[in-house]
Amino acid sequence: ELKVEQNPLFLSMQEGKNYTIYCNYSTTSDRLYWYRQDPGKSLESLFVLLSNGAVKQEGRLMASLDTKARLSTLHITAAVHDLSATYFCAVLLIYSGGGADGLTFGKGTHLIIQP
Amino acid sequence: GAVVSQHPSWVICKSGTSVKIECRSLDFQATTMFWYRQFPKQSLMLMATSNEGSKATYEQGVEKDKFLINHASLTLSTLTVTSAHPEDSSFYICSAGPIRGTYNEQFFGPGTRLTVL
Repeated sequence: ELKVEQNPLFLSMQEGKNYTIYCNYSTTSDRLYWYRQDPGKSLESLFVLLSNGAVKQEGRLMASLDTKARLSTLHITAAVHDLSATYFCAVLLIYSGGGADGLTFGKGTHLIIQP
Repeated sequence: GAVVSQHPSWVICKSGTSVKIECRSLDFQATTMFWYRQFPKQSLMLMATSNEGSKATYEQGVEKDKFLINHASLTLSTLTVTSAHPEDSSFYICSAGPIRGTYNEQFFGPGTRLTVL
């Protein structure tokens, strides 16, 4: 059974600070996704990481993937209030026959950035 | 980018009634769609995988007779919550991947908030 562990689950930080959210998963996979969810809304895709060593950046967010360690990180640089949201990582298992399961999500990190 | 729509966006119903939720891929064809459920302040949990032209695959603990899934075309999957009860109140979100099963991207619908009185 695939397990995805995210930490921290709750993070309160001040604007201008840096922080990292960690996502560990239990089974070999080379497809790791990061999503943002605002209250009452669905998911917004942030990053799709498809291979070992992948690094992607968008604005103040940067995501990386280490498939050997089964670890992905989401780094926030110089946080601003608008980044306050819940962030989820999710892992996809793909079968050799070409099919795939749905995504398995971490529990989410509730991020509050205070002015 | 690919767009997935859901209808309705919210619904309130009485206990014992059935509710149908539609998930449509608007500008691409999806052989596979997924249905998730999210309770307040919790993560998303996969309920079932909907395959065009075949029976849905349900996750352990999800009652297939209660949550009926039909994937009649490459652009439409429906989830029917039968005999809904207050404990079925939740946020239901569907997702779809591109045809040919590349699975490089997952496109999520805006979600349907179900409240059962």
